[in-house]
This record gives sequence, C-alpha cells and structure tokens, in this order.
Amino acid sequence: GAGVSQSPSNKVTEKGKDVELRCDPISGHTALYWYRQSLGQGLEFLIYFQGNSAPDKSGLPSDRFSAERTGGSVSTLTIQRTQQEDSAVYLCASSYYSRRDSSYEQYFGPGTRLTVT
Amino acid sequence: GDSVTQMEGPVTLSEEAFLTINCTYTATGYPSLFWYVQYPGEGLQLLLKATKADDKGSNKGFEATYRKETTSFHLEKGSVQVSDSAVYFCALSNGDKIIFGKGTRLHILP
Repeated sequence: GAGVSQSPSNKVTEKGKDVELRCDPISGHTALYWYRQSLGQGLEFLIYFQGNSAPDKSGLPSDRFSAERTGGSVSTLTIQRTQQEDSAVYLCASSYYSRRDSSYEQYFGPGTRLTVT
Repeated sequence: GDSVTQMEGPVTLSEEAFLTINCTYTATGYPSLFWYVQYPGEGLQLLLKATKADDKGSNKGFEATYRKETTSFHLEKGSVQVSDSAVYFCALSNGDKIIFGKGTRLHILP
C-alpha cells in the first residue's frame, strides 16, 4: 500500500521567506510526527499529533515554526521568516497501534530537504 | 524521562566483519524497542523490533535481543556487507511517543 508521502522533496528558499511543507500519512494512522535532521545529525523531534488531542509542540524550536493537521490526516509544517539555520531535512512519520504485539510502529516519509540561502 | 543512548560513530569495518552497535535505554514500565536504518539519501525505515523482555528481533541478518536486566538492545550482525553502510537509530516506544537515539553511522569497506 501507499506509504507516507511528503512534498516537495526539495525546497530552496531565500532567507526571510515563509515555507510550507506537506505530509500525507498512511491512511488510518492516528498519530503523525514531524522531525528535523540537520546534516550528519540525529533526529530532532518537532511536533506530534495524536487523533483529536491537542498536539505536543514541545519540540518546536521557535514561534516561527507551526504545524496543523486537517481532518486528522494531512499535515502542514510552516516555517515563517526562514533563517539559514533552518536548512535541514524535515521528516514526517505516521504510526498506528498494533494490537498483535501491543506496540506503536512509525513509518517515515522520504523527507523534504530545505535549503535557505 | 525516558531516553536512549547508543554508541557514537562513525563505526568503520571491513566487509564480512562482525558488527555490534550498543544501545541502552532508560524507561518506566515496559517499552517496545526498535532499530531503524537510514540508507544514504533515504528516509528512516524500520529494521527490527522487540516488544517484551527476552524477545529477539531479526531482519536482513541483523538481530537484537531485548534485555531488561541490562536495559539494552544491542544490534548485531555476523557478517556485514558494503550495502549495510547506513545510519542506525535505536528507539523506544512507551505509549504512543517514540524516542530515538542520536544514531550511529556505519561504514563498511570492501
């Protein structure tokens, strides 16, 4: 079946511009996560949505970052007034609860590579 | 809070060598444990998982055993290949949030 998709795959923008990154999770997955991965670094958690609950925004690095999830499905991560340090790969993941083994399992999209010039 | 610690890389090995990447965790209760792999230019993908103590996850020749007594989930492979070169992430799930280690970059030389 279809996996997690993200668009665009690459985005080059000028410093100070706003950008929107899109994530389409796997159908039926209730949880959606955004991460940032800078060159050669690990995963930095940004934000997490679970069903209709209030999102966990504890990882957002500044108020220039925001995200929404419409209808419990598609999510958009918005970065306002981009800075050069925002350059990174932004990864989205969705997950479901496996009753078979009582665990959550994340499925990742291919990421959006953002370059701020 | 919950956390995952894995050995720092990069790890460089010759083809057919034995691989161990150490991972230890701190968590309340009984988390599920995962190894994810990220090949160059790609997103993360699940490599293997274990959901309870003494479980062994395995895939593509890789194995990891959930050791509650040592709070560890070390990744092993008996004979690595050049195609195993990637970044490996250990992770735990305690509820619906997943916590990742910082990743270990693995280079396999032909």
